[in-house]
Amino acid sequence: NAGVTQTPKFQVLKTGQSMTLQCAQDMNHNSMYWYRQDPGMGLRLIYYSASEGTTDKGEVPNGYNVSRLNKREFSLRLESAAPSQTSVYFCASSEHIADTQYFGPGTRLTVL
Amino acid sequence: AQSVAQPEDQVNVAEGNPLTVKCTYSVSGNPYLFWYVQYPNRGLQFLLKYITGDNLVKGSYGFEAEFNKSQTSFHLKKPSALVSDSALYFCAVRDTSGAGSYQLTFGKGTKLSVIP
Repeated sequence: NAGVTQTPKFQVLKTGQSMTLQCAQDMNHNSMYWYRQDPGMGLRLIYYSASEGTTDKGEVPNGYNVSRLNKREFSLRLESAAPSQTSVYFCASSEHIADTQYFGPGTRLTVL
Repeated sequence: AQSVAQPEDQVNVAEGNPLTVKCTYSVSGNPYLFWYVQYPNRGLQFLLKYITGDNLVKGSYGFEAEFNKSQTSFHLKKPSALVSDSALYFCAVRDTSGAGSYQLTFGKGTKLSVIP
């Protein structure tokens, strides 16, 4: 049981480049989430998917898009990266929308 | 709107001494409360949660937390700290009523350092 996995672990982009962060869970969870973590600011929710086929905006969705590809996978896309998107990105999943969330190891993204 | 505050950026405690990491919250309805721990360069690990019932919640690695409704607090405690407890601790809250009640709001984190 790998839990929640994320790829890549590290990424450096130039301003304006695009990329997709991948997340997969093998716990048969219905709900998945994307957060960003910035120093001194805790975790902030970017987007979430309550169940397969649905996605909703969180606290800080601007500049991001998501795709719930299937029950296991939830990707986060940056269409045109900006330095303000330099952060550590965490994916999480839970059995249902209100349940305990379990986190992946994170992706450290730097935008130059 | 829901919010959570961790008033201490850093807590230092000697190994073997009791530790407390503070958390206060604000919600409109009833809260669901969580503690997570983050070790360096790792994701967050779930420690414990309060949903309803007994105000004293026991979790992983010997941690416990006490829900205090009148003081709107959910402080994390451990009777005897270990050096391996040194990490970043996050409190999180979910308001069970109103719009946006699916979302968890996290505190800014408290860095715990246990000194040998």
